Amino acid sequence: IAGITQAPTSQILAAGRRMTLRCTQDMRHNAMYWYRQDLGLGLRLIHYSNTAGTTGKGEVPDGYSVSRANTDDFPLTLASAVPSQTSVYFCASSQGQGKTQYFGPGTRLLVL
Amino acid sequence: AQSVTQPDIHITVSEGASLELRCNYSYGATPYLFWYVQSPGQGLQLLLKYFSGDTLVQGIKGFEAEFKRSQSSFNLRKPSVHWSDAAEYFCAEYTNFGNEKLTFGTGTRLTIIP
Repeated sequence: IAGITQAPTSQILAAGRRMTLRCTQDMRHNAMYWYRQDLGLGLRLIHYSNTAGTTGKGEVPDGYSVSRANTDDFPLTLASAVPSQTSVYFCASSQGQGKTQYFGPGTRLLVL
Repeated sequence: AQSVTQPDIHITVSEGASLELRCNYSYGATPYLFWYVQSPGQGLQLLLKYFSGDTLVQGIKGFEAEFKRSQSSFNLRKPSVHWSDAAEYFCAEYTNFGNEKLTFGTGTRLTIIP
């Protein structure tokens, strides 16, 4: 089934721990994105990748890192989690500039 | 700074009544605009988009939106809502200031009452 998958679905994490959120798409889209969704703030862009091998910072990149080794995968890493990173994280992909972004089902993360 | 404004945090509508959700954008003479819907516990699903051309855009699930340049608006409408339309609705604008991104509004939560 074509689309975007994210793992895990949800996670409870102790502060200070390292965590990688996984995102895989099978649509061969060039661009991929990570957003966080917080109540009253909508979705905010964390990091993006226009094509495999390149990444860039979004609005709220601090505390997060990404890599794009191939077209399909775009993992998001929290090197040392803090409670303010408690959020719902969405991965998205698009064919290119100005194109529609398609979203994964999200990962709900609670940092204690 | 570029922004997308959804002035209504929460709207309650009776089933069968008409609906209009407001959205104002701040950037661009020819914006790329989107409406997404998010059901509880789910990801975002595209309802419709406007890139150019006809200013009245039809989407899925009976939704439509009208682009009005003079008002910098892109309001979402539906003539008769169904209980299944209860969800959160997000307006978004695409920009490319060296990096392409979607800027989202803060969302409008729609409640449907019998």
